Amino acid sequence: QSALTQPASVSGSPGQSITISCTGTSSDVGGYNFVSWYQQHPGKVPKLMISEVSNRPSGVSDRFSGSKSGNTASLTISGLQAEDEADYYCSSYTSSSTPWVFGGGTKLTVL
Amino acid sequence: EVQLVESGGGLVQPGGSLRLSCAASGFTFSNYWMAWVRQAPGKGLEWVANINQDGSLKYYVDSVKGRFTISRDNAKNSLYLQVSSLRAEDTAVYYCARSGKGSMRYWGQGTLVTVSS
Repeated sequence: QSALTQPASVSGSPGQSITISCTGTSSDVGGYNFVSWYQQHPGKVPKLMISEVSNRPSGVSDRFSGSKSGNTASLTISGLQAEDEADYYCSSYTSSSTPWVFGGGTKLTVL
Repeated sequence: EVQLVESGGGLVQPGGSLRLSCAASGFTFSNYWMAWVRQAPGKGLEWVANINQDGSLKYYVDSVKGRFTISRDNAKNSLYLQVSSLRAEDTAVYYCARSGKGSMRYWGQGTLVTVSS
């Protein structure tokens, strides 16, 4: 069982906005601003989309944004496009014996 | 251009060992934390280990402590993961990644480790 909880799947229509949540505890998501989000298309290498809760690396579309409230981080994708269909993973630093953890992943389907 | 190229994966029997390597180029390797992340077939990502710039700090996921060892050679711009006492549940694609401020910006293509008799 993953330390961070994500919904198994979300879906949306082209042009809509969706939000993927990532719920942890005060020992990880809530306690540190080291939350990141990754996109992975089938058979491909993960791609960093958001770092440090809300920072977007160069080259990542501004349709992707990140935020955090309490122990829950969120990834919002606006203006959904077919190419956004992928698996998304959150990650956080944690004060536990394993210092970095991923969420279980969320499959985004663009209808 | 940042490049990370893993090698060393393969088929190994339970209890066996392998040494995974990651050749880095396109950046000053000695300036960065590095990490290994794995992904079992059809499963999610799992952070495995990371190491600081000079190799003096190393961290591992609980499930591999005592069996895996991360190391680096800054003169050779290379990262390593010695995997031992392998179990079926260690079967996965192992990715090398460049770490920074809690995120992994650059990833290699991965190397597949299959543990089976």
